[in-house]
Amino acid sequence: GESVGLHLPTLSVQEGDNSIINCAYSNSASDYFIWYKQESGKGPQFIIDIRSNMDKRQGQRVTVLLNKTVKHLSLQIAATQPGDSAVYFCAGGNQGGKLIFGQGTELSVKP
Amino acid sequence: EAEVAQSPRYKITEKSQAVAFWCDPISGHATLYWYRQILGQGPELLVQFQDESVVDDSQLPKDRFSAERLKGVDSTLKIQPAELGDSAMYLCASSSINTEAFFGQGTRLTVV
Repeated sequence: GESVGLHLPTLSVQEGDNSIINCAYSNSASDYFIWYKQESGKGPQFIIDIRSNMDKRQGQRVTVLLNKTVKHLSLQIAATQPGDSAVYFCAGGNQGGKLIFGQGTELSVKP
Repeated sequence: EAEVAQSPRYKITEKSQAVAFWCDPISGHATLYWYRQILGQGPELLVQFQDESVVDDSQLPKDRFSAERLKGVDSTLKIQPAELGDSAMYLCASSSINTEAFFGQGTRLTVV
């Protein structure tokens, strides 16, 4: 069946360093991918999305890379800050439809 | 800033009791989703509405769960009877044709 998975359940980085969170997906029919940030006790918060006809998209301090050949996407956070500490989820699907979420990676930023 | 509103934020109920959650999506969003998130896992879709119609309820345990969106605006998710394994965060999200899904803060359900 469809699945979206993250490579590492936890990631610890030093404040100011760059963070890279990876994700793999299985459904080639997915045309839309999205990264969410979830802080403890709160709902997921949109970070950035990318369509399957793109391989890179940049936002403020974040970049998403999509490699359709190996069904892999990554989230890069530049100059990681303590406020970036949270669980990060990748999700894939079709815009306006069902999203399949991965298990999440917990990012810890050390001051 | 427009938000998806959910209530209650927390709910403790005894097993075999009925429980209901309410969601008010962002104004103008035709698509509404209910997701369930077990602690330590990603959200899983329970049901998706397009206006007042259900478009996907394939993962909804229909023997005990029901969802409605009668006027195509706010929505209610009900569990009857609740079981211990239903303890989770219930998340509501909404979207329009050109936007990502926006999530509410969720309802944390504990079944004892």
